[in-house]
Amino acid sequence: AQSVAQPEDQVNVAEGNPLTVKCTYSVSGNPYLFWYVQYPNRGLQFLLKYITGDNLVKGSYGFEAEFNKSQTSFHLKKPSALVSDSALYFCAVRDNSGYALNFGKGTSLLVTP
Amino acid sequence: ETGVTQSPTHLIKTRGQQVTLRCSSQSGHNTVSWYQQALGQGPQFIFQYYREEENGRGNFPPRFSGLQFPNYSSELNVNALELDDSALYLCAFQGTHTEAFFGQGTRLTVV
Repeated sequence: AQSVAQPEDQVNVAEGNPLTVKCTYSVSGNPYLFWYVQYPNRGLQFLLKYITGDNLVKGSYGFEAEFNKSQTSFHLKKPSALVSDSALYFCAVRDNSGYALNFGKGTSLLVTP
Repeated sequence: ETGVTQSPTHLIKTRGQQVTLRCSSQSGHNTVSWYQQALGQGPQFIFQYYREEENGRGNFPPRFSGLQFPNYSSELNVNALELDDSALYLCAFQGTHTEAFFGQGTRLTVV
């Protein structure tokens, strides 16, 4: 089955510094990978996706992610963190059936002033 | 905003009762999925509907059931509620080869 792993429960970064939230994947075939963000008591907001093409994917709110096939990783990055980026971030992979998204357990990002 | 609306936003039910959650979208996307997100966990896939038929299901018992209507809106029904059913329930609409757009969720508390 397709799966993703987010090895960090929490990431702390100072405002203005670059941030990275890690995600590794395990798939058979070509992966469809996604990042979503969740603010408290809210649903999931789509940030970006990798389907095919360039390994560097640019998304919403200045976020980007790099697809690395050899390391089976899809890390989320932002050059300069904002306090408002503090939230819960989920990596997800589309299931082979094409139906479901399989989510990681999430990484809590805290950006301090 | 994703254009996906879920109702109600919160509700409290007693163990053994039944609940119906609703979801609609203005997007015109014809595929809707439901997810359960327990506290501190990632969302777990419940099932998906396409053209009013269930066409995929996760590891959830039959007391979790659903409907999709001709306007693509959807319901999630849960019978014989258990305490462990307490969670945030999310629905999402998507088109072919596109990302899923989620609603804000319904927070269900079973007491």
